[in-house]
Formats: sequence, structure tokens, C-alpha cells
Amino acid sequence: NAGVTQTPKFQVLKTGQSMTLQCAQDMNHEYMSWYRQDPGMGLRLIHYSVGAGITDQGEVPNGYNVSRSTTEDFPLRLLSAAPSQTSVYFCASSYSPTGIGANEKLFFGSGTQLSVL
Amino acid sequence: AQKITQTQPGMFVQEKEAVTLDCTYDTSDPSYGLFWYKQPSSGEMIFLIYQGSYDQQNATEGRYSLNFQKARKSANLVISASQLGDSAMYFCAMRGGGTASKLTFGTGTRLQVTL
Repeated sequence: NAGVTQTPKFQVLKTGQSMTLQCAQDMNHEYMSWYRQDPGMGLRLIHYSVGAGITDQGEVPNGYNVSRSTTEDFPLRLLSAAPSQTSVYFCASSYSPTGIGANEKLFFGSGTQLSVL
Repeated sequence: AQKITQTQPGMFVQEKEAVTLDCTYDTSDPSYGLFWYKQPSSGEMIFLIYQGSYDQQNATEGRYSLNFQKARKSANLVISASQLGDSAMYFCAMRGGGTASKLTFGTGTRLQVTL
């Protein structure tokens, strides 16, 4: 029972490099999202998706791209990494994009610690 | 816009005592859900408890209970009989109703349980 799988767990980039953070879930969840966690700021929503082919911006989308070609996968791309993108990144999913009940809690991946030098 | 406020950056509690972690929220959605997550030092996010805006009773899950006061827009987490393993960051979060509802997080409270 894998749940939400994020790779890699750790990554160091140089300014200007590009990379993709991978996220996959095996729970047939419609809703997937990416958050970044910075000290003192909680978790902030970067991008989210309510189903295959549908994505939208969250609170802090600049510098990040996403796509959702399948229900299972929701990769996050950094096209030109900047030191301000040093953070811990979480992918999270839930069954429905519209529900607010207890069953609509987010399931989180284990996180990716990214450092941009 | 939704907003979650956690005013306690850090809290200390003695083992076996109860502790209350504060959370206030602001939303214009008539229906919404409130969640608490625990983040231990290992980093994973663990769901603890949920409260719906139309629920008549306060939610309970084992040693966790949610003191929901809708008029005051507060959703405080109460942990009874604290254990050393409860030492962690605790996040309050809210999800509004409607299409593509988003989970908005507070800044968290770091709880330290002492002997």
C-alpha cells in the first residue's frame, strides 16, 4: 500500500539548473497538489490538479510548472532553479477535489528537501 | 480568501498533562472542513482529526479532541495525557467547499513534551 510516493528525498541544485520532482499516488485520487514548507511559514500551495489534464495555480506558483497527464502522476518542474526555491516540497492527494468531509483529508508524500546553491 | 492563524509558535507540556493548541480561521465559505496534522522530526505529515463546519458535536480521535467554536471561528486541538511521542509540530488547516477546494495551513505550533 504505497500511498503517495515522492522522489527524490534530497536534491542539491546549482542556480539555473532544472529538475523535476516526481509524485505518484496509487489511490485513484482525483486531487493532487504540491506544497512547499519554509520555516515560520507553514505549508504554502504551489500548484494543484483536480484531474488528468487540469491544473491550476496556488499561492506561490512562480518558478514552477506542473502537468497532469495521468491520474496517478503529478510532477513538479523547476525550469531555472533559484536559491529562493530552497525548501521542503510535499506532494499531497485526496479523493475528491470538491469534498470537505473527513474522507477528503490530504495524504502526503514523505517530502523532498531541495537546496539551491 | 481563507486564512488560518496559529498564535503559539511553541508550547511546553509535562508528560501526562493535557494541552490545548490554538487555531483560529477566517473564511467566507458557508461550508468548510478543519484538519489538524502532526509533523514529527522525521518530517512526515500525519493526519490527526477532522471537524466539519456543520458537525454538531466536537470531533474526537483517541487522545485528540477538537474544541470547535464556530461563532468564534476557532478550532483548538486538545491533546489529553501527553506522551513524549507527542513532541512535534502541529498544523491547523482548512479546506473550503466548492470546486477545487484548497487546503490552507497555519504556521504551526511546536509542542515539546517534558518529563
